[in-house]
Amino acid sequence: NAGVTQTPKFQVLKTGQSMTLQCAQDMNHEYMSWYRQDPGMGLRLIHYSVGAGITDQGEVPNGYNVSRSTTEDFPLRLLSAAPSQTSVYFCASSSAQGAGDEQFFGPGTRLTVL
Amino acid sequence: AQKVTQAQTEISVVEKEDVTLDCVYETRDTTYYLFWYKQPPSGELVFLIRRNSFDEQNEISGRYSWNFQKSTSSFNFTITASQVVDSAVYFCALSEITSNDYKLSFGAGTTVTVRA
Repeated sequence: NAGVTQTPKFQVLKTGQSMTLQCAQDMNHEYMSWYRQDPGMGLRLIHYSVGAGITDQGEVPNGYNVSRSTTEDFPLRLLSAAPSQTSVYFCASSSAQGAGDEQFFGPGTRLTVL
Repeated sequence: AQKVTQAQTEISVVEKEDVTLDCVYETRDTTYYLFWYKQPPSGELVFLIRRNSFDEQNEISGRYSWNFQKSTSSFNFTITASQVVDSAVYFCALSEITSNDYKLSFGAGTTVTVRA
């Protein structure tokens, strides 16, 4: 049982490049989400999914796309990277479809956009 | 508006001192959940505790204790007899029952440094 896994751990992009951050979980969790962590701001929700085929925007969705074709995977796409997207990205999953359940976080991806 | 405020940006203590981390939250929901997470230097987020709004009992787990007071909208965290391994960033977070996105609203975090 690996929990929540994320790849890559580190990535450097040039402005305008695209890439996909991978997230997978093996706990059969319905709920998955992406957060970004910036200094002094805690973590902020980018996108979330309450099940395969269902995604929605969080509080900072601009510049990011997601899809959820399977229960296990929830990739985050940056279509045209910008320096403002330099951040640490965390994927999380939870079994409950509601507030209050513990969310399990992946190890994070540190992204730098030059 | 910030829903979770952690007013202390950084706290530095000497080993074996107690340290209390403040967390003040804001919500209109009567049902909500509060969390504390630890982020050690390695970067992962470690779940410490979850509390629902109907349970105001204080909780103790080893050297960790939590004081939940609805009257002051606070959920403070105390580390007793701190150790170097407690050095980390600690986040308080709120989850609201009426939130469609089930998100955790995080505070900005408090960096705790424990010196030997």
